Amino acid sequence: KNEVEQSPQNLTAQEGEFITINCSYSVGISALHWLQQHPGGGIVSLFMLSSGKKKHGRLIATINIQEKHSSLHITASHPRDSAVYICAPDRGGGADGLTFGKGTHLIIQP
Amino acid sequence: SAVISQKPSRDICQRGTSLTIQCQVDSQVTMMFWYRQQPGQSLTLIATANQGSEATYESGFVIDKFPISRPNLTFSTLTVSNMSPEDSSIYLCSVSIGGLRELFFGEGSRLTVL
Repeated sequence: KNEVEQSPQNLTAQEGEFITINCSYSVGISALHWLQQHPGGGIVSLFMLSSGKKKHGRLIATINIQEKHSSLHITASHPRDSAVYICAPDRGGGADGLTFGKGTHLIIQP
Repeated sequence: SAVISQKPSRDICQRGTSLTIQCQVDSQVTMMFWYRQQPGQSLTLIATANQGSEATYESGFVIDKFPISRPNLTFSTLTVSNMSPEDSSIYLCSVSIGGLRELFFGEGSRLTVL
């Protein structure tokens, strides 16, 4: 069983739509990361959270530790938001404590 | 924070050859990590590179195939040796800063083996 499940795997939406990407995990964690991967392959960290909710610009991330579930929301989506969004639960310890989802491929059409 | 420069950004290589990927960080970090991302798959940790000691490899990865150097606290290289088409992937280096474990990644090296 995959330790991390992201949904949807692919999402195409129109500019301005509200986007939600979900992440469910099966392991106990100390934190969870949301990452953005650009078409060239580079990865940028969007959020690291261990409880509640964080907001940065148009992006909002929430986590429910008891339910082992996190969501990433994008408000007023824009074509530049088109990327792969990756959820990474973090068990702590070394880098082997990180597990990565396969990512959600998001395309925002103008 | 940390800015990571990785090169090459992409390369096309012939079967049986080797390629070295370089990773430069703009600050001193204790540990650097190398990941592989095969097409359509999630990131997989190859090894952890510590300055002054041999790299620690994850299950399924060996030093002969993926030799790593870590000559100082800001630089590391990963070599993909005797390449085959199955090695076609994006290779990423990463660091984690401080106790908060915030993650920083390089731009990735997209490798295609013919």
